[in-house]
Amino acid sequence: DAKTTQPPSMDCAEGRAANLPCNHSTISGNEYVYWYRQIHSQGPQYIIHGLKNNETNEMASLIITEDRKSSTLILPHATLRDTAVYYCIAPPNDYKLSFGAGTTVTVRA
Amino acid sequence: GAVVSQHPSRVICKSGTSVKIECRSLDFQATTMFWYRQFPKQSLMLMATSNEGSKATYEQGVEKDKFLINHASLTLSTLTVTSAHPEDSSFYICSAKSPLPWEAPYEQYFGPGTRLTVT
Repeated sequence: DAKTTQPPSMDCAEGRAANLPCNHSTISGNEYVYWYRQIHSQGPQYIIHGLKNNETNEMASLIITEDRKSSTLILPHATLRDTAVYYCIAPPNDYKLSFGAGTTVTVRA
Repeated sequence: GAVVSQHPSRVICKSGTSVKIECRSLDFQATTMFWYRQFPKQSLMLMATSNEGSKATYEQGVEKDKFLINHASLTLSTLTVTSAHPEDSSFYICSAKSPLPWEAPYEQYFGPGTRLTVT
């Protein structure tokens, strides 16, 4: 599966947008980009996924570059409850999810 | 949305005993479930893939005789840690593959996790 690279941590002010980058330069044409998050001591939670087009749902927006080598997860109005580890994953066709180190996002009041 | 539960949420056991953890899909049928392990300050590590009615597929380095997985029904998978030792103390998390794979092929619904402490 494609390797993804994320910054280890980032801070965000409450109420502001949080932009989480992810590099996946080796992604193949049919591999999706998935985002999950894990709040401390809980199971991960699906956020959003995309293939080529930008996507938006009630939780976040996903912007994928035209060459698909990177993407950005946008939390439009971060709240304290969005403090979590965010994982960018490009799963292979065997449906397994490989969690890297992710980005620890801390939302500050 | 789809809900996955785990029981127990916390368990403390003595070294040498066995512990069973249950993972249930509450409002959908899960033909495929996954078991992960997470040590403190580390990421999730996939242990095995569990398919209903067949033997589990274990990841490299995971002892199948120590971590027994049974997926006997479409809503229940169990993980039994046999002869547990302190180094097995960890956060065990299960997930179920989405019942709507045509919408989100790689979406998994995760349980809340089970914190195992072996003394």
